[in-house]
Amino acid sequence: KQEVTQIPAALSVPEGENLVLNCSFTDSAIYNLQWFRQDPGKGLTSLLLIQSSQREQTSGRLNASLDKSSGRSTLYIAASQPGDSATYLCAVKGGGFKTIFGAGTRLFVKA
Amino acid sequence: DAGVIQSPRHEVTEMGQEVTLRCKPISGHDYLFWYRQTMMRGLELLIYFNNNVPIDDSGMPEDRFSAKMPNASFSTLKIQPSEPRDSAVYFCASSLSLGEQYFGPGTRLTVT
Repeated sequence: KQEVTQIPAALSVPEGENLVLNCSFTDSAIYNLQWFRQDPGKGLTSLLLIQSSQREQTSGRLNASLDKSSGRSTLYIAASQPGDSATYLCAVKGGGFKTIFGAGTRLFVKA
Repeated sequence: DAGVIQSPRHEVTEMGQEVTLRCKPISGHDYLFWYRQTMMRGLELLIYFNNNVPIDDSGMPEDRFSAKMPNASFSTLKIQPSEPRDSAVYFCASSLSLGEQYFGPGTRLTVT
């Protein structure tokens, strides 16, 4: 059974800092991995999708990497801003094309 | 495109009542997913459809829950009878093939 873990559970950083969020999964037989952002009381906004055959994806200040063999993905945020404050979720699509979410990392960027 | 549309946005009902949540996926998307989010359990996949056909409903918690997709532009999630432990935010999402999933704004359900 696929399990998805996100570390740390919460993170507080000063504005301008570069940071890395981690996502690990137990079954490497995945179809793709997607990173989302969720603001309090809101829905999920898709940030990046990495197919199983890809190693990384970039969008603006965001870069996501995928290492299937080690069961890990990282989301790198460059030059963090207060507007980046939100909960970041990773979702793994694996066997049977079911999507399993991690519990999320709550990020707070201080001005 | 307006994105995934869900209604109602908020629902408050009494225990034992029937609740129906509605979803309109993004036009052209062939996959539709229903999720439930709670503080205790996070985001859980309840059921998903491909071309209007339910593919995996193993996440549906009990027989009190049912979902239908009568056509490509509409799906419902029904709870009958509702219980307080069903209180959660229910999300609908859609995707083209098995690509990027797009989420609706969610329905916040409170069962008293």
